[in-house]
Amino acid sequence: GAVVSQHPSRVICKSGTSVKIECRSLDFQATTMFWYRQFPKKSLMLMATSNEGSKATYEQGVEKDKFLINHASLTLSTLTVTSAHPEDSSFYICSATSDYGSYNEQFFGPGTRLTVL
Amino acid sequence: GQNIDQPTEMTATEGAIVQINCTYQTSGFNGLFWYQQHAGEAPTFLSYNVLDGLEEKGRFSSFLSRSKGYSYLLLKELQMKDSASYLCAVIMEYGNKLVFGAGTILRVKS
Repeated sequence: GAVVSQHPSRVICKSGTSVKIECRSLDFQATTMFWYRQFPKKSLMLMATSNEGSKATYEQGVEKDKFLINHASLTLSTLTVTSAHPEDSSFYICSATSDYGSYNEQFFGPGTRLTVL
Repeated sequence: GQNIDQPTEMTATEGAIVQINCTYQTSGFNGLFWYQQHAGEAPTFLSYNVLDGLEEKGRFSSFLSRSKGYSYLLLKELQMKDSASYLCAVIMEYGNKLVFGAGTILRVKS
């Protein structure tokens, strides 16, 4: 149990385009989802926290108009990178947690590799 | 601010024991996680400590001292497949946010 999927796993896009990444909890209802980005050989940096039906809470330094997050249901959150530029190239990982889980464990998706040309 | 320190890299021999240390100074604390991450993949859960002491799970053990802001992950009988990055993360009381250390790259050699 506790499986989280992400789609797509890899995406290459041109500079200036927008890219949407989906994060789904497959076998549980995720009350909270988190979005991270990770640069090569670096750790995960939390970008934002999203709760179903409410606006996402962004970490300091993360542009909310650049990284649009929608948590429309208890099993789906989306991250849209708007007007992507090469510096947005990164590994984006989502995680999901449930109020019913043990010790607030976060279950991670497999990640999405974004390359902006 | 939040500060979580881990060694950047470690090398150990197959069959040996290795200890990866983590020290933390955070404004909140609701437990400490250890994750394993292979390159290009998502982190996978290894252990969780919230009380002082040692938690053992097969070849992996994790220790926590809250008064010292210190944890370690102990890996026994190392295998080549244990070569990965090991992430220490503190879960905050507010919002259940995870704050990650930079990770320790472990290389297991034969």
